[in-house]
Amino acid sequence: DAGVIQSPRHEVTEMGQEVTLRCKPISGHDYLFWYRQTMMRGLELLIYFNNNVPIDDSGMPEDRFSAKMPNASFSTLKIQPSEPRDSAVYFCASSTLTGKKLFFGSGTQLSVL
Amino acid sequence: QQPVQSPQAVILREGEDAVINCSSSKALYSVHWYRQKHGEAPVFLMILLKGGEQKGHEKISASFNEKKQQSSLYLTASQLSYSGTYFCGTTNSGNTPLVFGKGTRLSVIA
Repeated sequence: DAGVIQSPRHEVTEMGQEVTLRCKPISGHDYLFWYRQTMMRGLELLIYFNNNVPIDDSGMPEDRFSAKMPNASFSTLKIQPSEPRDSAVYFCASSTLTGKKLFFGSGTQLSVL
Repeated sequence: QQPVQSPQAVILREGEDAVINCSSSKALYSVHWYRQKHGEAPVFLMILLKGGEQKGHEKISASFNEKKQQSSLYLTASQLSYSGTYFCGTTNSGNTPLVFGKGTRLSVIA
């Protein structure tokens, strides 16, 4: 298996622009998680899905953030409009069950100027 | 509730031992340990479920004290390859997602 695949690896954008991060989970994994990593806060859970349905989005910082999972093999995290404080590494992870071993993607390094 | 890790950072010489602690103010169901190398994704090390078990992974092992709501990661005879940031992640029940601590940066020098 190719593992969890994220794109792009790096994204540099200007404040106010829309940013879309993409994730393909491991086939057969029913759970998908979006985490954000910063020096100050560490790894924060933003939202997670079970069988394509959002279960808990309480970690999404603001209405500017939205996430979708239209099918079992694809998820997006969108920020609109982006702000400099959104700069971070965004990780997607998947697992067979919540609370089980997480498989992380390589992450997207987002820089908002 | 984010677990608290200590220390925040530690520097070791090759062959030395280290202990990283993870504690929570809430009852824990499970504790996970991950290691992240610079510029890479976190990689799973081990899971401990409530029951006070200890698990091992090469020269890296961990314990889980359910009553004290804490876990410790033990690294013995450290190697240069052990360098990285270690994260503990905790769950409060069998169907809640992982909440990670802020990490412990471990540097092993020759």
